Amino acid sequence: QQPVQSPQAVILREGEDAVINCSSSKALYSVHWYRQKHGEAPVFLMILLKGGEQKGHDKISASFNEKKQQSSLYLTASQLSYSGTYFCGTEMYAGNNRKLIWGLGTSLAVNP
Amino acid sequence: DGGITQSPKYLFRKEGQNVTLSCEQNLNHDAMYWYRQDPGQGLRLIYYSQIVNDFQKGDIAEGYSVSREKKESFPLTVTSAQKNPTAFYLCASSIGNLGRTGELFFGEGSRLTVL
Repeated sequence: QQPVQSPQAVILREGEDAVINCSSSKALYSVHWYRQKHGEAPVFLMILLKGGEQKGHDKISASFNEKKQQSSLYLTASQLSYSGTYFCGTEMYAGNNRKLIWGLGTSLAVNP
Repeated sequence: DGGITQSPKYLFRKEGQNVTLSCEQNLNHDAMYWYRQDPGQGLRLIYYSQIVNDFQKGDIAEGYSVSREKKESFPLTVTSAQKNPTAFYLCASSIGNLGRTGELFFGEGSRLTVL
């Protein structure tokens, strides 16, 4: 049930782009994206609901392909502040309720 | 400023002792959650509460207990029955149920080390 994130880790130079993928084997209601810096709390980036929507937040955007049960996070012109671990949380149906399951994270390091 | 406050930030305890982690929120959120995070792992749900005086087990509730006597407070007790209690514990809250209305607001976390 746990979503699979890829890549596990990525190193960028400032200004480069990156894509982080999150795939599930289950039908999804929504996908959540958070960034966590070491020793700190995760910080919300965005939620994508089923319907294939795309969202953007500054130079970070994401897409959600409901049919493929996959979401991708796009980081454009990366900044040093983008460094951290990115987690996707996939909200899936569990009987009459919905359940949020988290991926293992993608570690992103942006160097000068 | 509104937010979630967890305390203590660091806690050391001897094996066999119960410990209680505090979580307080002033966001007026209905739902509160406790997650456990281990190195290289995603977040795993321990317990959650959608309303005062009610809470449900998450995926890894064994060895933990909670209470929700007030809307603002959701303390977590790590009991001696928890076999591997050393971890980073995160408390979170949301306006509604999981994922239904939006983001989770997280506290700064409590790092528990059992010696």
